[in-house]
Amino acid sequence: GAGVSQSPSNKVTEKGKDVELRCDPISGHTALYWYRQSLGQGLEFLIYFQGNSAPDKSGLPSDRFSAERTGGSVSTLTIQRTQQEDSAVYLCASSLGTTQFFGPGTRLTVL
Amino acid sequence: QQQVKQSPQSLIVQKGGISIINCAYENTAFDYFPWYQQFPGKGPALLIAIRPDVSEKKEGRFTISFNKSAKQFSLHIMDSQPGDSATYFCAASSGYSTLTFGKGTMLLVSP
Repeated sequence: GAGVSQSPSNKVTEKGKDVELRCDPISGHTALYWYRQSLGQGLEFLIYFQGNSAPDKSGLPSDRFSAERTGGSVSTLTIQRTQQEDSAVYLCASSLGTTQFFGPGTRLTVL
Repeated sequence: QQQVKQSPQSLIVQKGGISIINCAYENTAFDYFPWYQQFPGKGPALLIAIRPDVSEKKEGRFTISFNKSAKQFSLHIMDSQPGDSATYFCAASSGYSTLTFGKGTMLLVSP
């Protein structure tokens, strides 16, 4: 596709359930980022993948959060045992240089 | 510790007026300062960016002013239009590191 795509666009889950969010970056982009956007807050960095290097996980808020990137392309963000405070829009971005191109996000609601 | 402080939180400007959004940073290693525009339900999109070797960059109605000694940069939107109504985020990064975002400014341009 022409841009970054994310699925699902909306996800409603119950507290304690696990969720998986998917990101398809722009073809050829070596870097992939996950951010979390809460109401009234900026974009909170979660994790960064660059090529075959070990990911920068410094932004993950707890060990319930994890992410992987398979084959240097698609990425999945997993949140285990979801909590209500996990409710937010999760944004993925990819880049080849300094400009990051964002997907439309996945709105996660934890009931 | 918030590394990029953005103000105001919200802004109402009349059509044809000038919108001004300000950001201040702390990390002197930052060398890339983009502004992103986000419409409801969409991911942020790069609007304009500047590096610290210039004090101003203009693209159409959008101008970034950069003050390295004060560690401040601002976005000016000339002849603001209702279609400019969106949330604007400033950001900063060092090299190819992840972006640190401000908390955003909701701009409303009244007809």
